[in-house]
Amino acid sequence: DAKTTQPNSMESNEEEPVHLPCNHSTISGTDYIHWYRQLPSQGPEYVIHGLTSNVNNRMASLAIAEDRKSSTLILHRATLRDAAVYYCIPTTGANNLFFGTGTRLTVIP
Amino acid sequence: DADVTQTPRNRITKTGKRIMLECSQTKGHDRMYWYRQDPGLGLRLIYYSFDVKDINKGEISDGYSVSRQAQAKFSLSLESAIPNQTALYFCATRAGDRTIDTQYFGPGTRLTVL
Repeated sequence: DAKTTQPNSMESNEEEPVHLPCNHSTISGTDYIHWYRQLPSQGPEYVIHGLTSNVNNRMASLAIAEDRKSSTLILHRATLRDAAVYYCIPTTGANNLFFGTGTRLTVIP
Repeated sequence: DADVTQTPRNRITKTGKRIMLECSQTKGHDRMYWYRQDPGLGLRLIYYSFDVKDINKGEISDGYSVSRQAQAKFSLSLESAIPNQTALYFCATRAGDRTIDTQYFGPGTRLTVL
């Protein structure tokens, strides 16, 4: 599985956009990039995933670099409920998920 | 009602005791997983099951065993609990019929071994 590098922590003001980066320079050509987040005292929840093209859903957007060695999760307007640990996980769909330590996002009111 | 439930939600036990953590799901998924999470760390995979007859060891299976009693139920056992098994335990499910699919996690069981 590809190794990932994420900042340990980030802060954002409420209602401002947040860009959470992830480096995955050893990603294979068949790996999708998954993002999960873990709210306090809860299990992880799926956020978004993509392969090559940028992706949007109701929770977030995923911007994938052309060389696929990095990606950025974009929360367009951070809310207090978005405070969580965000995990970037490159994997093929058939494989298991390997969680690193993720990025702890703090949202400031 | 939650799709993935775990019981108990909290448990305190003593060293050497046998403990069983239970997981049930109503999503109809074939695949089920057990993870543990230590403070400040990500999740690590203990065991996973692709169906009732298919059980696989994960990254950190030593000291644990599992039982897949039915498609909807996957139990994790600690035969003789030790303090370094104090952690937060999560069960997850995933559909097995597509190559790309999300995992759905339960609320977790906080286990303390004294």
